[in-house]
This record gives sequence, C-alpha cells and structure tokens, in this order.
Amino acid sequence: DAGVTQSPTHLIKTRGQHVTLRCSPISGHKSVSWYQQVLGQGPQFIFQYYEKEERGRGNFPDRFSARQFPNYSSELNVNALLLGDSALYLCASTIGGLNTEAFFGQGTRLTVV
Amino acid sequence: EDQVTQSPEALRLQEGESSSLNCSYTVSGLRGLFWYRQDPGKGPEFLFTLYSAGEEKEKERLKATLTKKESFLHITAPKPEDSATYLCAGFFYNQGGKLIFGQGTELSVKP
Repeated sequence: DAGVTQSPTHLIKTRGQHVTLRCSPISGHKSVSWYQQVLGQGPQFIFQYYEKEERGRGNFPDRFSARQFPNYSSELNVNALLLGDSALYLCASTIGGLNTEAFFGQGTRLTVV
Repeated sequence: EDQVTQSPEALRLQEGESSSLNCSYTVSGLRGLFWYRQDPGKGPEFLFTLYSAGEEKEKERLKATLTKKESFLHITAPKPEDSATYLCAGFFYNQGGKLIFGQGTELSVKP
C-alpha cells in the first residue's frame, strides 16, 4: 500500500519567489495536514484540510496558503519566500478530521537562498 | 496555551543500557498522545497512540505509557538501530485536528 507521498523531495528557491508543495494522502484518508519543521525542533502546525475545507490554521503569515482537491490530495503554497522559510515541510494524512492516527510523508526539504 | 515538553533533549546510551524518555503536557483537555520516531531528513514514523491514563503499548524494545500529566517511552536493551529522534505530540479538545509536538529527544545508542 502506498503511504503518504510528497513532491518534490528537495527544492531550492530564491528569496521572493513562490513555491508549491504537493501531497497525496493514504488511500481512504480524507484529511491532510501540513507542518513545518525547522532543524532541531518539533514540527509546527500550518493547516488542516478535511473534505476539501480548511479545518484549522496555525500561526503562520498569509503568505502561506493551501487547498485540498476532490481526490483529497493537497497543495501548500508559499509566496514571497524568506530565508526563514527554509525547513522540512511535512504532510500528514488521517482518516477523519479529528486525529486518530496521523501518518506522515517523507517531507519536502525547502532551502531558500 | 496547550504545550508539550520533552526531556532530555539528547540521550546517549550504550547498547543494552535501558532508559526512558519523558513527555509532559498541559493537563487540561488532552484527547490523546502520539509517539513518533524520526530519522535524519525523513518524516516522522508513527509508533503509538495513547488515550487514557494507565494505558500502555509495546512494540519490540519500546513501551509507551501514559499518566495524567506525562508519558514515558521506555527503551529496553536498545540497539544502535534504535538511534533516532523520538517525538511526542498531543492533540487537545480545543485544538481540532492539530497536533502539538514537543521538541524531540535525540537518542544515540553506541555499540
């Protein structure tokens, strides 16, 4: 069975650019959450989507946005990239909107130069 | 504000030397607590979910327990392949589906 898949795995962008990260959840899972993990820290919640609706938003600026598609895949968009946006971006998949067991993808390593 | 705190930040063990990792959380409103293992540059790997004080779960050399204010991850006779960062995360009644993570404990097991 395919787990949570994220693309790309690595990405290098220049300050001020825009980036789109993609996530496909486990088959049958209807909720996707996005987390940012800076080196040496635990993941920080960015967004949760369930049945294509935003169900939660963390303390991130409006430069961060996301959406979920009818097939439950999701995109995370970040505009006007800053050096501080460099991090591992993680996608988590759960069956429902409230966590039972959350399974993570391998992450996208974003480096902003 | 709901918080999750892990200790120690780093732990070095000799192969076979058992120990425990701690995860404490704000007491009110915990729905459940997750433990994950994370290898460098990879996503967290699910280990356990605990819901009720007194609950215990085991997997190979790992056992997770939950009390009313903290959780422990016990590692019995660890091997070098157990070296990783161990993360705990809580989800709370007033936080929807959001997981609140601790900063992790980096475990190193030397042969």
